[in-house]
Amino acid sequence: ETGVTQTPRHLVMGMTNKKSLKCEQHLGHNAMYWYKQSAKKPLELMFVYSLEERVENNSVPSRFSPECPNSSHLFLHLHTLQPEDSALYLCASSQENSGEHNEQFFGPGTRLTVL
Amino acid sequence: GQNIDQPTEMTATEGAIVQINCTYQTSGFNGLFWYQQHAGEAPTFLSYNVLDGLEEKGRFSSFLSRSKGYSYLLLKELQMKDSASYLCAVLCWGNAGNMLTFGGGTRLMVKP
Repeated sequence: ETGVTQTPRHLVMGMTNKKSLKCEQHLGHNAMYWYKQSAKKPLELMFVYSLEERVENNSVPSRFSPECPNSSHLFLHLHTLQPEDSALYLCASSQENSGEHNEQFFGPGTRLTVL
Repeated sequence: GQNIDQPTEMTATEGAIVQINCTYQTSGFNGLFWYQQHAGEAPTFLSYNVLDGLEEKGRFSSFLSRSKGYSYLLLKELQMKDSASYLCAVLCWGNAGNMLTFGGGTRLMVKP
């Protein structure tokens, strides 16, 4: 248990579906992240929220839409995805500007399959 | 952009020592992390280096040379449970603050 939870753990969806991934952190951190992990590729940063403001987008397609209603919750809304979007989606959180080394704590991920 | 290289796979024997190398080319370097990731699980923090030298933590040690853009993770007295992917990640300071860029990971297989 890292203090970061994600639901659902597994998701199968069609290309016309709309679904949302949820992440919650119980660590009192002020920054949250979405990463995509595909087979045989490095972890790719998708979105960063610091103090509930989006600070990094990294040119992610608009079919992925993040939402950060407060410092503890982060959502990733999905619509009209493609099969190549099938991957493990990881959420992470950290405490920025703490004077420490900004270690990121990861959730267990959501394994997404797009049919 | 950032470029991080590490071997794709390594194999070692239980009880032995293994060194996993990572080279990087980045701007705004602000530290280097090593994470461990077992199959189907979240990455977990192993070590952080920001100054040159060796950081030791039990069976795991991590080394950094900023001038060479080089780090390694040293695992001693290998156990079967050490079979996992080891991710090298560089923290860089940019317009959007501190951002982590990951290498592709090194999949370590420990054999009896």
